[in-house]
Amino acid sequence: EVQLVESGGGLVQPGGSLRLSCAASGSTFSSSWMHWVRQAPGKGLVWVSRINSDGSSRTYADFVKGRFTISRDNAKNTLSLQMNSLTAEDTALYYCGRDLTGSVVDSWGQGTLVTVSS
Amino acid sequence: EIVMTQSPATLSVSPGERATLSCRASQSISSSVAWYQQKPGQAPKFVIYGASTRAPGIPARFSGSGSGTEFTLTISSLQSEDFAVYYCQQYNYWPWTFGQGTKVEIK
Repeated sequence: EVQLVESGGGLVQPGGSLRLSCAASGSTFSSSWMHWVRQAPGKGLVWVSRINSDGSSRTYADFVKGRFTISRDNAKNTLSLQMNSLTAEDTALYYCGRDLTGSVVDSWGQGTLVTVSS
Repeated sequence: EIVMTQSPATLSVSPGERATLSCRASQSISSSVAWYQQKPGQAPKFVIYGASTRAPGIPARFSGSGSGTEFTLTISSLQSEDFAVYYCQQYNYWPWTFGQGTKVEIK
């Protein structure tokens, strides 16, 4: 069974940057799509970005295009999200998720909290 | 962007009763719908995909139905561990979008 552990969250000022990481255990990482999904405090789930298994294709939600970059290192079983030009609206718990079939997030990490505030 | 609208926002149900959750898409998405369960302080858990296929390990009391724009998640006999927030999600078009959630609470 895969285990996903996010890290890199914290408090950042508006306009600042942060890099999130997701460490995956197990042998399925390199054959899986991976996603980032976020959840603002007390709110619902919002899909942020996905990357295909070899990193050649990336998709973003409109509200992060040009600001966030998703990447992966299959040799290290690691997924990353570089977040720039952060605003208060980016404050959320960020989950990484595995997608074996290109249709659903079948495994989730516990999330890492990003707080954007001055 | 496909808008997923869930109803009701809150569903109060007694243990052992049936719960019926609805999800409507703003345009046809075939059967490309998943359902997730989220309990307080926990990550979401994958329950249903393809509108009606249960994820591994999900009890048979969970069933999904629908296609096109109207989808339903039914929990046939609510157990204590089923009280949670449920989200539908479409994966037919980018960007993927979630509904706002239905909270199933104890009546």
